[in-house]
Amino acid sequence: EAEVAQSPRYKITEKSQAVAFWCDPISGHATLYWYRQILGQGPELLVQFQDESVVDDSQLPKDRFSAERLKGVDSTLKIQPAELGDSAMYLCASSFKTGTGGHEQYFGPGTRLTVT
Amino acid sequence: AQSVTQLGSHVSVSEGALVLLRCNYSSSVPPYLFWYVQYPNQGLQLLLKYTSAATLVKGINGFEAEFKKSETSFHLTKPSAHMSDAAEYFCAVSDADRGSTLGRLYFGRGTQLTVWP
Repeated sequence: EAEVAQSPRYKITEKSQAVAFWCDPISGHATLYWYRQILGQGPELLVQFQDESVVDDSQLPKDRFSAERLKGVDSTLKIQPAELGDSAMYLCASSFKTGTGGHEQYFGPGTRLTVT
Repeated sequence: AQSVTQLGSHVSVSEGALVLLRCNYSSSVPPYLFWYVQYPNQGLQLLLKYTSAATLVKGINGFEAEFKKSETSFHLTKPSAHMSDAAEYFCAVSDADRGSTLGRLYFGRGTQLTVWP
């Protein structure tokens, strides 16, 4: 069964360092999402891509976060510099339009980031 | 604007007992609604979704949910809990327009389900 791949699974970094996360969506899924999930809360959207274009980055802290999906396939999310408050699970998801509508999102295993 | 409220951050049941996890939504458009489950240090797995085809939706692992427009609710139930059901459950609403592939999910804060032997 096709899955969304993410790496690394765990990352520990010091404050002010740069960190990057990678996501490979399910083949053929044009829409890719990055979510941040703080412990004890539900995921919140950071950025959404349709193919290689950003369609929603309204919640992305652009002073330190950046995301790209250059060829419309895999994607990278970067944080520079990392802050203590960035400690969270970063989830990638992808989706396609189903025949019945209500596109469902398939999630990867996530990257657990700890900033010290 | 879309939002989801999950009543009860923690629910505990005995094995074999009924599971009921509550979700109320707010949506400015006819909603798509979802329930996801998350096991520790893992991503989210889709349990079921409502897309207006039927108000009672059956999902995986014996779970089902009923869409009640008058109550703006989409509660998740399972007749008999199993130890393996212990996890965190998230209700979500999408703001996707009908016919569109786009749309973000708005998640509730989650409900942690504990199942006692």
